Amino acid sequence: AQSVTQLGSHVSVSEGALVLLRCNYSSSVPPYLFWYVQYPNQGLQLLLKYTSAATLVKGINGFEAEFKKSETSFHLTKPSAHMSDAAEYFCAVRTDAGNMLTFGGGTRLMVKP
Amino acid sequence: DGGITQSPKYLFRKEGQNVTLSCEQNLNHDAMYWYRQDPGQGLRLIYYSQIVNDFQKGDIAEGYSVSREKKESFPLTVTSAQKNPTAFYLCASSTRQGFETQYFGPGTRLLVL
Repeated sequence: AQSVTQLGSHVSVSEGALVLLRCNYSSSVPPYLFWYVQYPNQGLQLLLKYTSAATLVKGINGFEAEFKKSETSFHLTKPSAHMSDAAEYFCAVRTDAGNMLTFGGGTRLMVKP
Repeated sequence: DGGITQSPKYLFRKEGQNVTLSCEQNLNHDAMYWYRQDPGQGLRLIYYSQIVNDFQKGDIAEGYSVSREKKESFPLTVTSAQKNPTAFYLCASSTRQGFETQYFGPGTRLLVL
């Protein structure tokens, strides 16, 4: 069975500071991993995905994530936070049933001026 | 523009009433999904369909029903058997080739009167 744990339901950073959102996974098959962003009252938008190619994945809006098999982690980072980054972020892993995804509980990112 | 549309944006349900949420996509995707989102719980899969005229229960299918008569459409009915329907409902779609990204609609918020 697959599972995803996002450490920290709320993260607050100052504008211009490093953003680090944590995601740990468990998977019985080689994992495909995703980060999605959700702005208030909207659907989810794909930020980036790992599909067994390069372990450092670059996404939209300056975000990137590094796949670390030994740590079963796929943490999301951005060097410098902008006010527009305030949103909820979800990590997800492919299930072994094919195209289904298992989502983490989400992390709400707050950016202080 | 290709994408996924959900309607209505807000829906109110009276006690004992069935309500139907619409999901339409013009991405030519074979697979479609319905998720329920509650605060702090991430997304949970209600139903999914990999092909027309076929669908499968997800993790929380009780109190819900779906149909898939057309490739473009995957309506979700919240029945009176669903005792706690207040949530944000998200529809998604993807191809079935290899492992592909799920694309999400803007969501429908269901409230109980």
